[in-house]
Amino acid sequence: GNSVTQMEGPVTLSEEAFLTINCTYTATGYPSLFWYVQYPGEGLQLLLKATKADDKGSNKGFEATYRKETTSFHLEKGSVQVSDSAVYFCALSSFQGAQKLVFGQGTRLTINP
Amino acid sequence: DTEVTQTPKHLVMGMTNKKSLKCEQHMGHRAMYWYKQKAKKPPELMFVYSYEKLSINESVPSRFSPECPNSSLLNLHLHALQPEDSALYLCASSQEIEGLAGARNEAFFGQGTRLTVV
Repeated sequence: GNSVTQMEGPVTLSEEAFLTINCTYTATGYPSLFWYVQYPGEGLQLLLKATKADDKGSNKGFEATYRKETTSFHLEKGSVQVSDSAVYFCALSSFQGAQKLVFGQGTRLTINP
Repeated sequence: DTEVTQTPKHLVMGMTNKKSLKCEQHMGHRAMYWYKQKAKKPPELMFVYSYEKLSINESVPSRFSPECPNSSLLNLHLHALQPEDSALYLCASSQEIEGLAGARNEAFFGQGTRLTVV
């Protein structure tokens, strides 16, 4: 079945540091890949997405590239801010009678000033 | 309007109570979802409705009963829950397109209902 593996957290960085959160997936067919972010006490918000190999998703300074050869979709940001503190979920979407999202375990990110 | 609205935000219920969670969207999405999220865990899919018909039930116990009265509304009826059912219940919606293209659409999530079963 489809699955997503994210790097273990929590991750703690200083403001303006470089961020990488690793995500790899296992899937049949042609999944789409997403990064969602969850702030404390809230639902999930889409951060970025990529729907085919070599696509790069980007938003708010975050980027991720869909790498079919390494089955990866790593999240990166060049300079993090305190406001980026949240839980980040990598997710895979496939159509199995209806659209199904499978999430990774989530990575809690804390940015210190 | 890109909002998914869930009510109530918080709910405390006893094990013999019957309650309902409500979800509403006005984006014209024809796919709607219920997810359950335990603390420090990812969301887990419970149900998917497509064009107001139940498409996917992920082997959810019958004490959870979904309902889709129309294309904008999704309910989750709760009865005889257990304390281990305490969690954040998230509703989501997406455009429904069949086949491979259907996997490309992002899901929009509500803020969730935090349920506590006592």
